[in-house]
Amino acid sequence: DAKTTQPPSMDCAEGRAANLPCNHSTISGNEYVYWYRQIHSQGPQYIIHGLKNNETNEMASLIITEDRKSSTLILPHATLRDTAVYYCIAVLRSNDYKLSFGAGTTVTVRA
Amino acid sequence: DSGVTQTPKHLITATGQRVTLRCSPRSGDLSVYWYQQSLDQGLQFLIQYYNGEERAKGNILERFSAQQFPDLHSELNLSSLELGDSALYFCASSVVGQGSLTDTQYFGPGTRLTVL
Repeated sequence: DAKTTQPPSMDCAEGRAANLPCNHSTISGNEYVYWYRQIHSQGPQYIIHGLKNNETNEMASLIITEDRKSSTLILPHATLRDTAVYYCIAVLRSNDYKLSFGAGTTVTVRA
Repeated sequence: DSGVTQTPKHLITATGQRVTLRCSPRSGDLSVYWYQQSLDQGLQFLIQYYNGEERAKGNILERFSAQQFPDLHSELNLSSLELGDSALYFCASSVVGQGSLTDTQYFGPGTRLTVL
């Protein structure tokens, strides 16, 4: 799976949008970009994933650049409960796969 | 709530002992994955089962074993426990049907194992 790079930490004000960048310059054409988050010692929570097109769900939006070398996760209105470690990973399109999380970005939402 | 359940939530035991962790996947999911998360190593994939059969193996020690039962629940057995086995153990499940494309893994709340 392609390596991803994320900033180690970022702060965000409550109620504002949080934009989390991820670099995946070596991603291959059949690798999806997945985002998970983990709130202190809880199980990782799936947020969103995409291949080429931008995606939106009830939790977040995912913007993938045209060359697919980077992406941005957008939390439109951050709340204190969004404080977590966010992981961006590249996942090979196949019938079976394993996830491997790096250090991620620690997002702290401040009141 | 992801729909994946794990028991027990916490487990404290001594070195040399054996423990069993249990996982029930989301309804309809055929595949179960086990992960270990320790402070210094991040999330490490251990093993995957699909519809009762082992499908993929990661960095799982020989002292560890797993199985998936006909009702699709899974158990992870850890034996001859060492201090270094103290960690969070997560189970995840996904649909992964025949010929399916990449799908999504949903994680359970985890079991915190402490070996004293």
